[in-house]
Amino acid sequence: DQQVKQNSPSLSVQEGRISILNCDYTNSMFDYFLWYKKYPAEGPTFLISISSIKDKNEDGRFTVFLNKSAKHLSLHIVPSQPGDSAVYFCAASDGGSQGNLIFGKGTKLSVKP
Amino acid sequence: SQTIHQWPATLVQPVGSPLSLECTVEGTSNPNLYWYRQAAGRGLQLLFYSVGIGQISSEVPQNLSASRPQDRQFILSSKKLLLSDSGFYLCAWTPQSRSPLHFGNGTRLTVT
Repeated sequence: DQQVKQNSPSLSVQEGRISILNCDYTNSMFDYFLWYKKYPAEGPTFLISISSIKDKNEDGRFTVFLNKSAKHLSLHIVPSQPGDSAVYFCAASDGGSQGNLIFGKGTKLSVKP
Repeated sequence: SQTIHQWPATLVQPVGSPLSLECTVEGTSNPNLYWYRQAAGRGLQLLFYSVGIGQISSEVPQNLSASRPQDRQFILSSKKLLLSDSGFYLCAWTPQSRSPLHFGNGTRLTVT
């Protein structure tokens, strides 16, 4: 049973517009959420995180929103750039001592010039 | 600064052969270490994690094993590879929980 779901396998956006990537989770014990970006044949790179005590965290062009009641988070990229084209993974943790992250299956973002 | 090294980058092995993938972390002490696998068309699946030397926890029963012989060294092994072991294997580390995982560049394993 998937605890972290990214229901859109792919997303195509025009350069300069907003990209919105969505993620849903089922485990109410999750309290720490992260987004990773992955290029082919490379390891994922950490982008941005949010704790459950917040509902928004911003870092430059990237903003993550958390809706705890809906068990939903989203990543907004504004403005989108061709270099943002990659697979984006949502991940969650229940804050246990092991620091294990549960990942979604990823969404492939294509930003067209 | 901290860095993570993972090798080899690619590997083609026949079914039934052994496997050893190595990962080392520099610039930190007592990290939590992880092995993840990304199979074709799937997300990242946690295989093993370790919070200290000799301490290994397995998340998914399978044909693989892990060992941590030194503080900053994590090894993924198999005695006999299966076709289903093909995938992209990623090592990761974090200084503590509630910190992002930092991944290596991965090993693309193809079992033929």
